[in-house]
Amino acid sequence: NAGVTQTPKFQVLKTGQSMTLQCAQDMNHNSMYWYRQDPGMGLRLIYYSASEGTTDKGEVPNGYNVSRLNKREFSLRLESAAPSQTSVYFCASSDWGRAYEQYFGPGTRLTVT
Amino acid sequence: SQQGEEDPQALSIQEGENATMNCSYKTSINNLQWYRQNSGRGLVHLILIRSNEREKHSGRLRVTLDTSKKSSSLLITASRAADTASYFCATDTLIYNQGGKLIFGQGTELSVKP
Repeated sequence: NAGVTQTPKFQVLKTGQSMTLQCAQDMNHNSMYWYRQDPGMGLRLIYYSASEGTTDKGEVPNGYNVSRLNKREFSLRLESAAPSQTSVYFCASSDWGRAYEQYFGPGTRLTVT
Repeated sequence: SQQGEEDPQALSIQEGENATMNCSYKTSINNLQWYRQNSGRGLVHLILIRSNEREKHSGRLRVTLDTSKKSSSLLITASRAADTASYFCATDTLIYNQGGKLIFGQGTELSVKP
């Protein structure tokens, strides 16, 4: 099992460009999450999907959109990137059967210039 | 706003010593989880303690939970250089149908010197 995979690993964007971060999990988990992590800070939840077909805002949703494409895949889109979105982005998945212990991907390091 | 606050923000010890990290939170919880993050990597789940448990062990890890004080501590015994990492607490709050949403603290950066 690959667990949680994310693409790309690194990305540099210019202000105003758009991009989609991809996430997939092969553990048959119902819930998936997108976080951002900034230096010296913990993780802040951007959006999450409690189950296939549902998505909800987290703590910092502004400037982002998500799509739960199917049970495996959960993508994060930046429509018009801003320097404030420079961060490391993590995708995670979990399931109620394991008390929502979360499994994380390796992260995407995004720089917006 | 962050649910969990961790203390200390940074901790430096010698190999073989014990490391203790503390976490405080604000609202009632279902469970509290601890994660480790090695530099440049994703987080890895270490241990989960439920709200009706007071202490839990896993190998060299010992976690305590005091719901009356809304606090938890993570003890790593006989630390090794490989334990160098950031450690985060995360709470699963008592909100119906939140799909296991966790709120993370800001983390404790542990450095274990050989």
